[in-house]
Amino acid sequence: NAGVTQTPKFQVLKTGQSMTLQCAQDMNHEYMSWYRQDPGMGLRLIHYSVGAGITDQGEVPNGYNVSRSTTEDFPLRLLSAAPSQTSVYFCASSYSTELNTEAFFGQGTRLTVV
Amino acid sequence: AQKITQTQPGMFVQEKEAVTLDCTYDTSDPSYGLFWYKQPSSGEMIFLIYQGSYDQQNATEGRYSLNFQKARKSANLVISASQLGDSAMYFCAMRENSWGKLQFGAGTQVVVTP
Repeated sequence: NAGVTQTPKFQVLKTGQSMTLQCAQDMNHEYMSWYRQDPGMGLRLIHYSVGAGITDQGEVPNGYNVSRSTTEDFPLRLLSAAPSQTSVYFCASSYSTELNTEAFFGQGTRLTVV
Repeated sequence: AQKITQTQPGMFVQEKEAVTLDCTYDTSDPSYGLFWYKQPSSGEMIFLIYQGSYDQQNATEGRYSLNFQKARKSANLVISASQLGDSAMYFCAMRENSWGKLQFGAGTQVVVTP
């Protein structure tokens, strides 16, 4: 059981470039989300989705787009990379939105924008 | 406003001793869930323990226990009999409603010494 798979694991971008961080889960989870982790700030929610075709903004959505065409996939797009987007990105999924539902995380993508 | 506060950026603890990691939260929602995650140096996020706002007893999972003081809005994690493998970053997180969003604190870095 693969769980939540993120690709790539590492990426270096030049300022202004665009790219897509991939996230796939094989647990048939309805809820998926993207976080970024920065030192001293914990994990901050970028975008989330409660099901295919439904997405919404989190705490820090600027500069990122998402779509959810299938239950399994939830890609995160950086439109025009900026050095401020240098971070570690985590995708997470859970089988429901109930309070006690554990979130399963991918291994993370370390992104550096130069 | 910061919803989750972890006031200890870092802690040293000797092997076999107990350690308490502080977490306070802010919510006006009577229904919420509190989580603790562990992030070792390898980077993955590992779910440790959950406490619901209506749970009558403090949660326990093996060597992990949660000291839940609802009136004080605190949910401190206690790790008993620390092991070298407990060295990691620990995050407290809260889910306030059924929309599934997890909000994280800044984390506490724990180093266990022999």
